[in-house]
Order: sequence, then C-alpha cells, then structure tokens
Amino acid sequence: DSGVTQTPKHLITATGQRVTLRCSPRSGDLSVYWYQQSLDQGLQFLIQYYNGEERAKGNILERFSAQQFPDLHSELNLSSLELGDSALYFCASSVTDRGDIQYFGAGTRLSVL
Amino acid sequence: QQQVKQSPQSLIVQKGGISIINCAYENTAFDYFPWYQQFPGKGPALLIAIRPDVSEKKEGRFTISFNKSAKQFSLHIMDSQPGDSATYFCAASKGGSYIPTFGRGTSLIVHP
Repeated sequence: DSGVTQTPKHLITATGQRVTLRCSPRSGDLSVYWYQQSLDQGLQFLIQYYNGEERAKGNILERFSAQQFPDLHSELNLSSLELGDSALYFCASSVTDRGDIQYFGAGTRLSVL
Repeated sequence: QQQVKQSPQSLIVQKGGISIINCAYENTAFDYFPWYQQFPGKGPALLIAIRPDVSEKKEGRFTISFNKSAKQFSLHIMDSQPGDSATYFCAASKGGSYIPTFGRGTSLIVHP
C-alpha cells in the first residue's frame, strides 16, 4: 500500500457530464501529481500542486482542472466529458516539490459512455 | 512526438532467465531516469532510478545500464521470477521538477 488514497475506484458516466476525482496524499507529502493512463496516449502527466499552489502543468485539457486544498488533498475535475476521456487517472504524491520519488495511488477508472 | 521510446512492447521469459527492456530518449536535457513497475489494478511504483553521471546501477536483481552518448538506457532483471510479471515503464525527466515523461510500457510475463 503506497499510502495514497484515490476515490472512487470506478466511475461510469455519460458524455457531456462532469466528474470529480479525489486524492489524499501520503501523510506529510506536500506535492500531488495527476496522471492519465490510456491505451492511446500511455501514461501522461497532467498537473502538479505543491502545498496548495499549482507548480507544473502538462498535457491537461482546458476542460480539466484541479486544486489542492489546505488539508493537502486534491481534486481533479473533468467536465464536458467525451468518449476519449475514458482512462485510468492516477494521483501521486511526494514529500517536496521535487518529484524524483513519487508514490502512486491505485487509480480511478473512468468510463465515459 | 514520442520523447521516450521503449521496447519491446511485450516480453515472455522463463523463470531464472534474464529480462531486458530498452529505452531511448531524445531530449539531452533529461538527467534523471527512473523505472516503474505496475501490477494489474495498482498504480506504478518506483523500482530503481539512475542519473547520467554513472553508467550502471544495481539493486538486488534489478540493474539499470545507461549509455549517455547513445541516449539509451535499459533495465535488466536477473533470475526473473513469476512474481516479476508486471508492466514496466521507463521514464525520463529534467532535474528540478522531475516530472517524468514515460515510455509506452513493456508487459513482462515470467513463466514458472
């Protein structure tokens, strides 16, 4: 167990809808990272937060947004969902903003029908 | 543009054999090269990592070989075991942020 908790494990929704994925980092970790894993694109970095502030941005669509709260948990919001958004979404955390050692959660599997 | 190319896509090895997975990168600014192991239903887990100032790093049965001039690095799993059956991802990142760019993954099956 990595200590990173993601909820829900599975999410089934329809096109055009909006969903929120939640991540609780390991105790003491200040950085949270979001990744998307799909058959088409592989494993891709979306966005990083460090102690509540956005630190780095990757291939994140404008329809997607994230935030990190004062208790350090993070949420990834996906809106106007399309079929192609179906993927595994992983959250990872690290102690500092230096992400050389990241601990991944078990992921949320999103199915857009 | 795929910045980190990984091969093979899948690999079948007999128990006790050597598993070899190769990666090549393009961006010479990359200076941190981790390998991740992912079991079904789990997230990736950091297995071993290397920086370009060394050509080899060994941890137990796992060894990374690094060739800076060729911009290539590889993972060797010695005495492969059925419990090693998983998907392996190589990655590369720049120092500072350490945000990884992943290869496409290699599905390893070790037959008993």
